[in-house]
Amino acid sequence: GAGVSQSPSNKVTEKGKDVELRCDPISGHTALYWYRQSLGQGLEFLIYFQGNSAPDKSGLPSDRFSAERTGGSVSTLTIQRTQQEDSAVYLCASSSHRTDGNTIYFGEGSWLTVV
Amino acid sequence: EDQVTQSPEALRLQEGESSSLNCSYTVSGLRGLFWYRQDPGKGPEFLFTLYSAGEEKEKERLKATLTKKESFLHITAPKPEDSATYLCAVDPSGSRLTFGEGTQLTVNP
Repeated sequence: GAGVSQSPSNKVTEKGKDVELRCDPISGHTALYWYRQSLGQGLEFLIYFQGNSAPDKSGLPSDRFSAERTGGSVSTLTIQRTQQEDSAVYLCASSSHRTDGNTIYFGEGSWLTVV
Repeated sequence: EDQVTQSPEALRLQEGESSSLNCSYTVSGLRGLFWYRQDPGKGPEFLFTLYSAGEEKEKERLKATLTKKESFLHITAPKPEDSATYLCAVDPSGSRLTFGEGTQLTVNP
């Protein structure tokens, strides 16, 4: 696609429920990233996928957070047993080291509200 | 530990009043310094990448410069539509970016 696509754009969930957020990167981009942005804050790195390599999970805040990337393309970020502090914008991004240096392009984000 | 500090946190300008935003960084190795613009409710929009000290890039009213310890985003004769949060980020390892907290710019007509 023309840009990074994320869904849903908005999600309201009850505390304790599981949520799944989806990211479809720019076609041909081998690297995919998840970041989190809390209200009025900077971007917090969560996880990074590059090709077939093992993902860099060092930014995941707890074992309630997990992500997978199927077929080297679409990625799903899963948050289990959501807590109110999980409320934030979850931003997905992708890049292609081969054609564009390491410039990272972001989607519009998935706004998660835990009530 | 890689760190990015942006200043000021917020800046109010009158239309046509030029100014600069600062991004200072401490990294083990720099593989790129990035500037993004973020409008409310939107994802960050890529503006510039700078790779080495002395490099400059321009786009419309914006010019980004880079030294060994900091980067400046110069805004010349800003317009109200330049109002946004400007984010600076560094790539220390060729993989993920480390972001600053951003500068919220408001340009009044």
